Amino acid sequence: QSVLTQPPSVSGAPGQRVTISCTGSSSNIGAGYDVHWYQQLPGTAPKLLIYGNSNRPSGVPDRFSGSKSGTSASLAITGLQAEDEADYYCQSYDSSLHGVFGGGTKLTVL
Amino acid sequence: QVQLVQSGAEVKKPGASVKVSCKASGYTFTSYGISWVRQAPGQGLEWMGWISAYNGNTNYAQKLQGRVTMTTDTSTSTAYMELRSLRSDDTAVYYCARVRSHGIHLDYWGQGTLVTVSS
Repeated sequence: QSVLTQPPSVSGAPGQRVTISCTGSSSNIGAGYDVHWYQQLPGTAPKLLIYGNSNRPSGVPDRFSGSKSGTSASLAITGLQAEDEADYYCQSYDSSLHGVFGGGTKLTVL
Repeated sequence: QVQLVQSGAEVKKPGASVKVSCKASGYTFTSYGISWVRQAPGQGLEWMGWISAYNGNTNYAQKLQGRVTMTTDTSTSTAYMELRSLRSDDTAVYYCARVRSHGIHLDYWGQGTLVTVSS
C-alpha cells in the first residue's frame, strides 16, 4: 500500500493527451511538500521527469507537464509517442522528511 | 557528466548482511546527498533513506530503522548502504540517487544493484 495513490494504468493513442493523478494527504502533498515525477522505461533506472511540481529538467520535452493543487498532483503528457510507454511514479515527502512514492502508473501507447 | 556507478549483483542467505556501494563522479560529492530507493520484483519504488555527503547526517525509513546503515567515504566519493538481517522480502533492485538537499528531488540515479535473498 503506497502512501501516494496513482492509477495502476492509463493508455492513449499516439498523438493523444493523457494525465496521471497522484493523490496524497495533509501529511505530505497537502502539507506543502513539492511533488516530483519519475519515468522508468522497461529494465532501466528511474529518470527525473518533473521536479518541484511543474519544472522540467534540461532535455525533457515540453510535452510533459506537471501541476499540483491541494493534496493532489498530476502529470500530463501531450502528443503521445511510442517511446513514452513506461512506468511513471510521483514522489513527495512527509513531515519527518521521509520520502513517499506513489505505486506507479503503467502508460500504454495503443 | 554526473554518474553514479553501483556495485554488482549480490546473492545472500536469510539473516546475512549486504553492503552496496555507489561511486559518484562529475560533481562535488560533498555538495549533495544520496538517497537510496529499492524496487522489489514487479513492484513500485520504496524510499529507504538519505545521507548527507557533507556531514553524514542520515534519515532512515521507519520500517528499516535498526537494520539499515548509510555511510559515505568522501575520499573516494562513494556512498554505501548496508542492510542487515536480510529476509526474502528484501530481494529487490537497490538504487542510489543524488539529491541536492534533503527533501527535494532525486536528480541522477545509479544503474541499480540486484540483491537476491534466498536460502
